[in-house]
Amino acid sequence: SQQGEEDPQALSIQEGENATMNCSYKTSINNLQWYRQNSGRGLVHLILIRSNEREKHSGRLRVTLDTSKKSSSLLITASRAADTASYFCATDGGGYNKLIFGAGTRLAVHP
Amino acid sequence: DARVTQTPRHKVTEMGQEVTMRCQPILGHNTVFWYRQTMMQGLELLAYFRNRAPLDDSGMPKDRFSAEMPDATLATLKIQPSEPRDSAVYFCASGLVPELAGNRYHYEQYFGPGTRLTVT
Repeated sequence: SQQGEEDPQALSIQEGENATMNCSYKTSINNLQWYRQNSGRGLVHLILIRSNEREKHSGRLRVTLDTSKKSSSLLITASRAADTASYFCATDGGGYNKLIFGAGTRLAVHP
Repeated sequence: DARVTQTPRHKVTEMGQEVTMRCQPILGHNTVFWYRQTMMQGLELLAYFRNRAPLDDSGMPKDRFSAEMPDATLATLKIQPSEPRDSAVYFCASGLVPELAGNRYHYEQYFGPGTRLTVT
């Protein structure tokens, strides 16, 4: 079974709105990462947050991590049509430096 | 701009045929991963190499799949014989882990564009 589970599975918003995606995981982690996948492309790393961090920012991205609840959220502020993609969380709960990916959230941002 | 490359980008083959997918990791990276992505199963890890040595291939069907790294610049994933249920997008990813780093060193993976495999 997958380590990370994102919700919602799909999200549709208008340009300029904020988009929030959530990720829950099952085992203890050392870090959690978020990746983006445009249709027909490979995944692109967005941000990494360590287990001793609670919040991290990168441009319009804000990631939070709550290890007590085994959950993380990704907030995209002032969304753009170009943000339309699938977003995946990945954790290192598998060991050996490998990542376990969730099922992803499909985000559609309409102009 | 260093990138992971994969060939072929698309492959259509008939059931029973051998399929070979190739990956060139980013120069200097010492970890390579093979993933399979389908609508039903999502992104599954098939195999993981560190310094060309296979560390984990527990996600790979052993009877028909094999993964190798003949050298540091080439990783291959073979399916023989292929079956319709193998239809998926196969991604290769690479990363750099310092030699003395433990198993849970924090680092990101760089993905290739994928090989879309269709087995009829």
